[in-house]
Amino acid sequence: DTEVTQTPKHLVMGMTNKKSLKCEQHMGHRAMYWYKQKAKKPPELMFVYSYEKLSINESVPSRFSPECPNSSLLNLHLHALQPEDSALYLCASSQVTGLAGGISTDTQYFGPGTRLTVL
Amino acid sequence: GENVEQHPSTLSVQEGDSAVIKCTYSDSASNYFPWYKQELGKGPQLIIDIRSNVGEKKDQRIAVTLNKTAKHFSLHITETQPEDSAVYFCAASRYNNNDMRFGAGTRLTVKP
Repeated sequence: DTEVTQTPKHLVMGMTNKKSLKCEQHMGHRAMYWYKQKAKKPPELMFVYSYEKLSINESVPSRFSPECPNSSLLNLHLHALQPEDSALYLCASSQVTGLAGGISTDTQYFGPGTRLTVL
Repeated sequence: GENVEQHPSTLSVQEGDSAVIKCTYSDSASNYFPWYKQELGKGPQLIIDIRSNVGEKKDQRIAVTLNKTAKHFSLHITETQPEDSAVYFCAASRYNNNDMRFGAGTRLTVKP
């Protein structure tokens, strides 16, 4: 099973709203990712969690707040977003393996995404 | 950081023909190169990947080649079918680094 699920599929929110995106995987992966994808563009990395700890934050504005409550779940809390934040938000997960002296990540598997529209 | 360039941006072929998409990367330490297919309204789906200790990998109608010296890798799809129509992304990363970088994507259209 290589399934990553995301909810909701679609979300419309105003600039003053607070909402959350959810991602879940049951593949035993210990690395989870948030990407943002604008129309006709490639996915852009936002955050990476490894062993439930934030390991990469690609200078994302604080109106996006990630949370990894356990090894299977990843949330993205949204507050005071701007219309330009409208995009497809993708979650991904991957194995983490320990190689000699280091930690390595493997193939990333993506969820279907949440289509976010900010009015 | 890594920079991945992908060509062409659009590709149209007749059903049954072959399609080739090419990518170059800048970071000589990159050693993992996946290819993703993204259909409209869906997330990217891994179709094939290759690691730097291998020069070529094949899976049925799909093959990937890697030239580490020239820092480029290519996706080859043979006997294309209309259901192959999608956007294809190449990507590159170091195996010990979560930071995967994507190419700009190629929109492939297979005409019946």
